Amino acid sequence: SQQGEEDPQALSIQEGENATMNCSYKTSINNLQWYRQNSGRGLVHLILIRSNEREKHSGRLRVTLDTSKKSSSLLITASRAADTASYFCATNSGNTPLVFGKGTRLSVIA
Amino acid sequence: EPEVTQTPSHQVTQMGQEVILRCVPISNHLYFYWYRQILGQKVEFLVSFYNNEISEKSEIFDDQFSVERPDGSNFTLKIRSTKLEDSAMYFCASNQLGGVSGANVLTFGAGSRLTVL
Repeated sequence: SQQGEEDPQALSIQEGENATMNCSYKTSINNLQWYRQNSGRGLVHLILIRSNEREKHSGRLRVTLDTSKKSSSLLITASRAADTASYFCATNSGNTPLVFGKGTRLSVIA
Repeated sequence: EPEVTQTPSHQVTQMGQEVILRCVPISNHLYFYWYRQILGQKVEFLVSFYNNEISEKSEIFDDQFSVERPDGSNFTLKIRSTKLEDSAMYFCASNQLGGVSGANVLTFGAGSRLTVL
């Protein structure tokens, strides 16, 4: 089954730096989504990129998608302590349920 | 902003006991989901529900699990005889269009933490 796998598993940066997280998947997709999870809370949708798009921006977020490599990246620019969370990619194909990866734990140190 | 609400936030139960986790999806959403997350691991799909029936389920969703929409607002997950390995966070999610539009963005609840002793 298709599956998003993020790397790195954990990332620690200083406030103000950029954070880059990567996601790889195995099969063709309709779209790829990124979600954020604060500790002990539910997932919150951040951004969706369709299979025919290569890059998308939303505020400080920038997502890229390379369907030839079956990979995506999430860039958070000018990180803040409040960005500390786990970030998950999720893939969608047709009417199948979203499939999530294991996530990247981001720590932003003030 | 509308939200998905889940109760209880935390439940502790003995192995073999039945557990019911409750969810109130967003009122105009038509598709409902349960996912679970074992501590520190990935978020796993359990089941999707539309038009009062299961539309898809994973291998995890075996005979000990069941879902129900007993009234117009609640969506429940029942675990008949809990096992130690059922300890996890269980997340309810909903969306308006399911996968039909090819963009099934989910709204998640805060989760119910289940601890089986």
